[in-house]
Amino acid sequence: KAGVTQTPRYLIKTRGQQVTLSCSPISGHRSVSWYQQTPGQGLQFLFEYFSETQRNKGNFPGRFSGRQFSNSRSEMNVSTLELGDSALYLCASSLGSTGTTNTEAFFGQGTRLTVV
Amino acid sequence: LAKTTQPISMDSYEGQEVNITCSHNNIATNDYITWYQQFPSQGPRFIIQGYKTKVTNEVASLFIPADRKSSTLSLPRVSLSDTAVYYCLVGFPNDYKLSFGAGTTVTVRA
Repeated sequence: KAGVTQTPRYLIKTRGQQVTLSCSPISGHRSVSWYQQTPGQGLQFLFEYFSETQRNKGNFPGRFSGRQFSNSRSEMNVSTLELGDSALYLCASSLGSTGTTNTEAFFGQGTRLTVV
Repeated sequence: LAKTTQPISMDSYEGQEVNITCSHNNIATNDYITWYQQFPSQGPRFIIQGYKTKVTNEVASLFIPADRKSSTLSLPRVSLSDTAVYYCLVGFPNDYKLSFGAGTTVTVRA
């Protein structure tokens, strides 16, 4: 079956702009999590959505937001981009949400965002 | 979520066994131990998960002592393609993915 699909793969934006990233989970998976990965900070959790509801949120400013649609596809939005937002943004899908026993998370290949 | 400590890096040679130990002193009763592998410019990939004693699958083994305050991921007979970052995560099923940590960079040399 198809894996997790993230679009676009690469993106260049200017400071102050906003950006929307998309994630299509594996068919049947209802949980989508987003992560930011940078060389200095490693892999950091942004938020998780399950059945269109945000279940968990990491320690990121309000400029980072997300949503999930009824078909489980998710989007992440970053407003007023800063140079420090340059990173690889990864999403992962899994069958269950936190507190359930469907444990394995499947990651997409990520969107490489460069802010100039 | 339980805090984990693992070595920053490890070097090995092809054909050797690599053992990565992760410390998690404040692991909770319901917590599981999960390991992920990440290659450059790719998302992490699930390797193995366990609760106690030993778990083995086609790619790795996970050893967990009785007190569960640490765990060891064992990669048998590594090859160059096993060069990657390995993450140890501890938490209730699905909670673990909230915190990945820095991971251990394993470099396999010919």
